[in-house]
Amino acid sequence: DAKTTQPPSMDCAEGRAANLPCNHSTISGNEYVYWYRQIHSQGPQYIIHGLKNNETNEMASLIITEDRKSSTLILPHATLRDTAVYYCIVRVAYNTDKLIFGTGTRLQVFP
Amino acid sequence: SAVISQKPSRDICQRGTSLTIQCQVDSQVTMMFWYRQQPGQSLTLIATANQGSEATYESGFVIDKFPISRPNLTFSTLTVSNMSPEDSSIYLCSVRYSTDTQYFGPGTRLTVL
Repeated sequence: DAKTTQPPSMDCAEGRAANLPCNHSTISGNEYVYWYRQIHSQGPQYIIHGLKNNETNEMASLIITEDRKSSTLILPHATLRDTAVYYCIVRVAYNTDKLIFGTGTRLQVFP
Repeated sequence: SAVISQKPSRDICQRGTSLTIQCQVDSQVTMMFWYRQQPGQSLTLIATANQGSEATYESGFVIDKFPISRPNLTFSTLTVSNMSPEDSSIYLCSVRYSTDTQYFGPGTRLTVL
């Protein structure tokens, strides 16, 4: 069974912030939240990951709720190139735990 | 980030034949994985390619159908054996470094007629 739940699709206007939610209510204390995206016909691309603190890098921000049961990936200024399927994955970091993909959210950025 | 190449990038094969897909990484990696992505679907993990030992397969995947080799820390192959149209998919190599960051190759698009 999938450990995460994501909406199947979302739209976002170019230049606006895209907020992609993810529910992971059964997350364990040592599991991290990872986000990947897959642009059409390409291999998945790592975006960001976090344990319990909010994280930010050059691509996105990750907001994890205090109880860690949900998180939001934020693309602050979406562009057409951000149109992709976004996957939220939970796994234990720094060990042999595998990266298992769910169905993801298909984000469509429109002009 | 890693530079991962896969060969071939795409192929069209006849049923009953086999195809070997190569994955080459530009530096030594801790773990290598093979995934399958069927048309319109998400990625499914086939196996973990272990250096110097047999691969570890996920439920639903067997060595006879998907033999894997990993002769060193930068290279692996996946063979799709006795192919049928149901094997038409994108096959992706993925690598994980000691920093725990995992990257994916560009994929091999396989069509079986």
